[in-house]
Amino acid sequence: NAGVTQTPKFQVLKTGQSMTLQCAQDMNHNSMYWYRQDPGMGLRLIYYSASEGTTDKGEVPNGYNVSRLNKREFSLRLESAAPSQTSVYFCASSTGGGYTEAFFGQGTRLTVV
Amino acid sequence: RKEVEQDPGPFNVPEGATVAFNCTYSNSASQSFFWYRQDCRKEPKLLMSVYSSGNEDGRFTAQLNRASQYISLLIRDSKLSDSATYLCVVNNPTGRRALTFGSGTRLQVQP
Repeated sequence: NAGVTQTPKFQVLKTGQSMTLQCAQDMNHNSMYWYRQDPGMGLRLIYYSASEGTTDKGEVPNGYNVSRLNKREFSLRLESAAPSQTSVYFCASSTGGGYTEAFFGQGTRLTVV
Repeated sequence: RKEVEQDPGPFNVPEGATVAFNCTYSNSASQSFFWYRQDCRKEPKLLMSVYSSGNEDGRFTAQLNRASQYISLLIRDSKLSDSATYLCVVNNPTGRRALTFGSGTRLQVQP
C-alpha cells in the first residue's frame, strides 16, 4: 500500500545549490502533480503531467523544472535554489486529469538558507 | 479574486458541537468538488467528494450550490479528533487539468 512516495522528506540547501525531488506512484495513475504549500497560501500548483510524456506549467513554475520519467515517476528539479523556495512540496497523482481525487505523498520540507 | 476562497478560521468549538464551513469558487464551469482534511504537518487526504444533490458520510454532510457557486461542509457531534484544517477543492476544466485548493479552514475542537 505504498501509494505516492516522495524523497527526501527533509532537505536543507544553500542558496544557489540544485536538487531533485523524487516522486513515484504505484496506483497506475495517468496524472501527476507537484504542489508547494506555504503558510496562509494553501497549495499552489507548480507543474503537472496529464499523462506520460507530457508536462505543463502550473500557477508558480518559475525556478523549477520537471521530468515525467515514465508513468510511475515525476521529478521536480530546483536548478538554483533561492530562499523564496523554502516550502513544503507535495507530489500527488490521480486517474482523471483534475476531475477525480488526488492522492498525496507525505511531503518534502525544504529549507533554503 | 482567488479561484477558491475559504474563511481561514480558526473555528474553536466544544466537543459535541455542530460546525459549518463554507467555500466559494470562481469558475462556473467547475464540475468536481471535494473536501480534504489536512492534519498539522501532514499531507492532505480526501474527506469526501461533493455531489450536486448533497451527500452525507456519517457525521459529515456536504452541499453544493451551483447557482451561488459555494460548497459547504457540516460536521455534527464534533470530536477532538476532528481538529484539523479543512481544504475546499475544485477542478478547473477550462485551464490547467488539476485541482485547485482553497487555503483551508482551521478547526479546533476543545474538550
